[in-house]
Amino acid sequence: DSGVTQTPKHLITATGQRVTLRCSPRSGDLSVYWYQQSLDQGLQFLIQYYNGEERAKGNILERFSAQQFPDLHSELNLSSLELGDSALYFCASSFPIGGASTDTQYFGPGTRLTVL
Amino acid sequence: AQKITQTQPGMFVQEKEAVTLDCTYDTSDPSYGLFWYKQPSSGEMIFLIYQGSYDQQNATEGRYSLNFQKARKSANLVISASQLGDSAMYFCAMRDRSTQGGSEKLVFGKGTKLTVNP
Repeated sequence: DSGVTQTPKHLITATGQRVTLRCSPRSGDLSVYWYQQSLDQGLQFLIQYYNGEERAKGNILERFSAQQFPDLHSELNLSSLELGDSALYFCASSFPIGGASTDTQYFGPGTRLTVL
Repeated sequence: AQKITQTQPGMFVQEKEAVTLDCTYDTSDPSYGLFWYKQPSSGEMIFLIYQGSYDQQNATEGRYSLNFQKARKSANLVISASQLGDSAMYFCAMRDRSTQGGSEKLVFGKGTKLTVNP
């Protein structure tokens, strides 16, 4: 168990809908990362938050947004869903208080999104 | 941009044998970190081992070791005494230190599917 939790584990929805994925980082970790894993694109970085502020953006679509709350949990919002958004979405955390930015990223179990 | 290449889509090994999974990388950053993760069929990503670019010794964690050859830009994972539970996808990743604000995102290779035969 990595200490990172993600809910829900599975999500099935229809095209055009909006969903929210939730992530709680390891206790004390300040940074949260979101990654998307699909068969054609592999594992891709979407976005990073550090202590509530956006730190970096990767290949994140404009239909997607995220935020990190004061208690450090994070949410990834996906809207106007398309078939191609079906993927495994991972949250990872790192950078504990007093630690270094070079610390290992620990991944949650992922949310499997299926868009029908 | 940093890049990770895993040239072995699939590998087979007999139980109790050792196996090497290949990973080469490309970066212009003198300071970088290399990671290996395991993804079983259940889907979770499990951290295995880390090697920093300035580390003098090759990293080891139990049955996992990292054969780090800096001049060749390779960071191969060696699994000794393979077990049936080692059957999984294995991903090599590099920490990509973004020029913007110090992001430490990971760049992944495409992975190698390891099958351990009894």
